[in-house]
Amino acid sequence: GENVEQHPSTLSVQEGDSAVIKCTYSDSASNYFPWYKQELGKGPQLIIDIRSNVGEKKDQRIAVTLNKTAKHFSLHITETQPEDSAVYFCAAKHGGSQGNLIFGKGTKLSVKP
Amino acid sequence: DTAVSQTPKYLVTQMGNDKSIKCEQNLGHDTMYWYKQDSKKFLKIMFSYNNKELIINETVPNRFSPKSPDKAHLNLHINSLELGDSAVYFCASSLRSGGVYNEQFFGPGTRLTVL
Repeated sequence: GENVEQHPSTLSVQEGDSAVIKCTYSDSASNYFPWYKQELGKGPQLIIDIRSNVGEKKDQRIAVTLNKTAKHFSLHITETQPEDSAVYFCAAKHGGSQGNLIFGKGTKLSVKP
Repeated sequence: DTAVSQTPKYLVTQMGNDKSIKCEQNLGHDTMYWYKQDSKKFLKIMFSYNNKELIINETVPNRFSPKSPDKAHLNLHINSLELGDSAVYFCASSLRSGGVYNEQFFGPGTRLTVL
């Protein structure tokens, strides 16, 4: 089955700096890669996603890149703000159109003012 | 307007009891899910339910059973609760159409504590 590895598990940055979180997946058939942000006491919320026919996608301060050959994808947050502090999860869709999301183990991002 | 709601938000109970968690979505989605998030924040799919088709993660004990009275509801019933069942349980929903995979919307979670 699919396996998603996520690094680092914790990340601390100064406000205004950039943050990068990396994930690798094992199943070359996976074709959808979302990123979720989970704030304390809340459910995960989608912040950006990318499909396998695209190499990069950007939405304001966040961007995601996908390297299908290497089977890895990354989340980039620029000009970080304290409200970016949360746990971030990458995921990969496995098993065709009826497949489920397999999540990475999460990265706790702390942005220090 | 709440998209995906769960009740209760907190549930504290004794080992051996039976309990249920309710989930409702008002997004018109056709697929609902239950996830378990353990103390290390690891998020793992337990079930997905689409048009009466139930897909079970093989690692889920049969003490856990999802029940769907209609497309907008997917409840989770747990029998004979064990200490290891303590976790946060998330309900989610999405729209599966034409083979295209769409965003999953998560509920706020139910924190289950088994004493």
